[in-house]
Amino acid sequence: KAGVTQTPRYLIKTRGQQVTLSCSPISGHRSVSWYQQTPGQGLQFLFEYFSETQRNKGNFPGRFSGRQFSNSRSEMNVSTLELGDSALYLCATRKGNLGMDTQYFGPGTRLTVL
Amino acid sequence: AQKVTQAQTEISVVEKEDVTLDCVYETRDTTYYLFWYKQPPSGELVFLIRRNSFDEQNEISGRYSWNFQKSTSSFNFTITASQVVDSAVYFCALSEYGNTGTASKLTFGTGTRLQVTL
Repeated sequence: KAGVTQTPRYLIKTRGQQVTLSCSPISGHRSVSWYQQTPGQGLQFLFEYFSETQRNKGNFPGRFSGRQFSNSRSEMNVSTLELGDSALYLCATRKGNLGMDTQYFGPGTRLTVL
Repeated sequence: AQKVTQAQTEISVVEKEDVTLDCVYETRDTTYYLFWYKQPPSGELVFLIRRNSFDEQNEISGRYSWNFQKSTSSFNFTITASQVVDSAVYFCALSEYGNTGTASKLTFGTGTRLQVTL
């Protein structure tokens, strides 16, 4: 069974630009969550989508947004990039959206903002 | 607010030594789930184990074992006879229920970097 796929794996952007990251879940998984990992703040929850609806959102500015498609694939977008947005962005998917449903992570997209 | 504390920032051991990674959590929920993930240098978080708040039975899986004690809010992880391939950052995480009533979010500890040398 294929794992979680994230594209692209690496990105270099400049301040002020915008970026879109993609996540394809494990087959049968309907929930997709996004996390940001930085050396200073650690792993922080961005948002979760389930059945194309945002179910929960972390404490990030409105520049961070996402969406989920009918095939459960998800994208997240960051507009007006800042240097502090440089991070590893991890996508996690699971079958449902209950606590017992384990989240499985993709390899991440490493974003560098210059 | 929920919180996960991993007090050990970095641990170095020699191969074949046993090592225990500590995790202490805080939550007001009566039902919750605890997880351990491993992050090798490649960056992907690899799921190791899940425990729910009603299941305090400890488990051994190969060289891995887990000790969940609700009375002390601890969920420790032990690697027996460590190997170089165990070198990674290990994260303890707690599931949290969002405002929709579903468990949407994982709260992670800061991680423990384990270095196993020959």
